[in-house]
Amino acid sequence: KNQVEQSPQSLIILEGKNCTLQCNYTVSPFSNLRWYKQDTGRGPVSLTIMTFSENTKSNGRYTATLDADTKQSSLHITASQLSDSASYICVVNTGGFKTIFGAGTRLFVKA
Amino acid sequence: EPEVTQTPSHQVTQMGQEVILRCVPISNHLYFYWYRQILGQKVEFLVSFYNNEISEKSEIFDDQFSVERPDGSNFTLKIRSTKLEDSAMYFCASRDPPDSFQYFGAGTRLSVL
Repeated sequence: KNQVEQSPQSLIILEGKNCTLQCNYTVSPFSNLRWYKQDTGRGPVSLTIMTFSENTKSNGRYTATLDADTKQSSLHITASQLSDSASYICVVNTGGFKTIFGAGTRLFVKA
Repeated sequence: EPEVTQTPSHQVTQMGQEVILRCVPISNHLYFYWYRQILGQKVEFLVSFYNNEISEKSEIFDDQFSVERPDGSNFTLKIRSTKLEDSAMYFCASRDPPDSFQYFGAGTRLSVL
């Protein structure tokens, strides 16, 4: 069964600290993996996208990694800001038109 | 920056009524999607649409649902007879290959009473 599992479910960090969010997937066939940021009540916004051959992709303070062999990805946030408080969703595209969403990690950044 | 727009932002309806949720995808995009997110749950894929036909749909997308691109710019999701459990945020998304990012609208909150 195609699944995307994310951990932790929620995370609280202090402003300025770094954090890493995890994503494990069992999706086949695999086309690409994306990380989205979703503010409460808003639509998801793309952060990074990686295909099978890419190991790392950065977007400002966000760095995503992908290990296609172990089917794991991570999203590292550097020097967190209060505005980083949101849900971070890992999404895997199967290569067709279907996308599998993870449940997200809810990040709280405190001053 | 181009964006996907959805209307209305909030739709309240009575159980059993028909609703149409509207989306205007980014103008040069060719692939369109509807998702829903029940409060507190993950985003779920409903349907994808390409070349004026459904390309894939989930098990959620039953006979009560339909999609249409009536005029080349709008992309609509119709729910024929709403149920209480249809209450959710409905997100429209579009994309244009080779950039595989899907751009999401802000969503329509559907409340079925």
